[in-house]
Amino acid sequence: DAKTTQPPSMDCAEGRAANLPCNHSTISGNEYVYWYRQIHSQGPQYIIHGLKNNETNEMASLIITEDRKSSTLILPHATLRDTAVYYCIAIRDAGGTSYGKLTFGQGTILTVHP
Amino acid sequence: NAGVMQNPRHLVRRRGQEARLRCSPMKGHSHVYWYRQLPEEGLKFMVYLQKENIIDESGMPKERFSAEFPKEGPSILRIQQVVRGDSAAYFCASSPLLGTGWYEQYFGPGTRLTVT
Repeated sequence: DAKTTQPPSMDCAEGRAANLPCNHSTISGNEYVYWYRQIHSQGPQYIIHGLKNNETNEMASLIITEDRKSSTLILPHATLRDTAVYYCIAIRDAGGTSYGKLTFGQGTILTVHP
Repeated sequence: NAGVMQNPRHLVRRRGQEARLRCSPMKGHSHVYWYRQLPEEGLKFMVYLQKENIIDESGMPKERFSAEFPKEGPSILRIQQVVRGDSAAYFCASSPLLGTGWYEQYFGPGTRLTVT
C-alpha cells in the first residue's frame, strides 16, 4: 500500500470548513484512499473513501486530484466534536493480500476552536 | 443495530495473570480485527479472523498472545502471563462482506488493559 503524508496538526474555527490534506504520490491505480478519525480515547471511526472520483456523504467530502497524488478531506462546518486525529490510508482493493488490515500512520491532529 | 461491543471496558491485571478480552461484532459482520494502541503510539494491527479461522496474525506477538472467533459467541483475545508492556488499549473492529467493505471497519470502544 502507498505511503501517505499528512501534516501533524491543524486548527480550525468552529463553523468553518476544515480542509485536511493528504499526499499519496506513489499511489497505484487500484488503491483507494480511506479516511478514519479517532476522537480521544474512542475507537476509530470510518469517514469516507474514494478511488478517483470526488465523494460526499453525511460526514464529509473527499476531493481527489486528477493525478490521484493527493486528496483533501473536507468537513464543511466543523464543530468542537470534530476535534480528533484524522488518518488518511491508501489501500489496495480487496484483490490484494492485505486482507483488510488497516495501517494507521501518525495522522493529523485537528483542533476545532470555539 | 448495535455497534461493536467490547468487554470489559477496563481491565486490571497483575503481572503473570491472564487477560481475556471479548468482542462481539456488529450483526451480520463476519470479519473481526484486533488492533492495539500503546500509550502515546498509533494503532497497530494484530490479527484478522473469520468464524473459526485465523486469516492473518502477522501483527500478533509470537508468544503469550492468541485469538479466536468461534462459531458461536464473541471473539476472544487472550494474553497469558501479562507484563507491564502489555498495558494498552485494545480495539476490536468488524466489517461486512468482502470488497471495499473489507476496509469499512466499525470499531468498538476498546478495552483498556492496565498491568500492575
